[in-house]
Amino acid sequence: AQTVTQSQPEMSVQEAETVTLSCTYDTSESDYYLFWYKQPPSRQMILVIRQEAYKQQNATENRFSVNFQKAAKSFSLKISDSQLGDAAMYFCAYRLPSGAGSYQLTFGKGTKLSVIP
Amino acid sequence: KAGVTQTPRYLIKTRGQQVTLSCSPISGHRSVSWYQQTPGQGLQFLFEYFSETQRNKGNFPGRFSGRQFSNSRSEMNVSTLELGDSALYLCASSQRQGPTEAFFGQGTRLTVV
Repeated sequence: AQTVTQSQPEMSVQEAETVTLSCTYDTSESDYYLFWYKQPPSRQMILVIRQEAYKQQNATENRFSVNFQKAAKSFSLKISDSQLGDAAMYFCAYRLPSGAGSYQLTFGKGTKLSVIP
Repeated sequence: KAGVTQTPRYLIKTRGQQVTLSCSPISGHRSVSWYQQTPGQGLQFLFEYFSETQRNKGNFPGRFSGRQFSNSRSEMNVSTLELGDSALYLCASSQRQGPTEAFFGQGTRLTVV
């Protein structure tokens, strides 16, 4: 079974600074997708960034980027120029391709990010 | 385009009762998945429905069930509620094709007393 581990339950960052959230996963598959979701106090999960395992290039979305190390099974999220609105729970998630049958997301336990003004 | 809608937002039930939660996916999305979120266990997969068929199920007792209608709306039912069923229940919809992500609703907060 696939597992996702986020080793940092809580982190804090000064506004405008950079922070990196860690995620490791365990899988025997070679093709899969990885996601970072953000859950603010409003509770709605919002996709931050997505990485396809067969793509070597790290995904980037504005101030958010990932460091995807497939061999090490590591998928960290870097937030640059942190803003107060970035404060939230961040979840790393794993999913197999839709053709694999199971479409479920496997989540890590989450990292609570606080942004200090 | 309207997002994923879950109703009700909040629910308080008594032990032993049953409850039904509803999820309306984004228009055109035929896959609906349900997740339970608790402080202790985190986010756990309950089940997924696609084209009115349950495609896979997580490790939950038979008290947890669901269904999907022809318009892709989904309901989940929990019978004989236990205190431990208190949680945030999240619904996610997707197109179930390629790398498309799942879009989540705001959840239903269920409290069992």
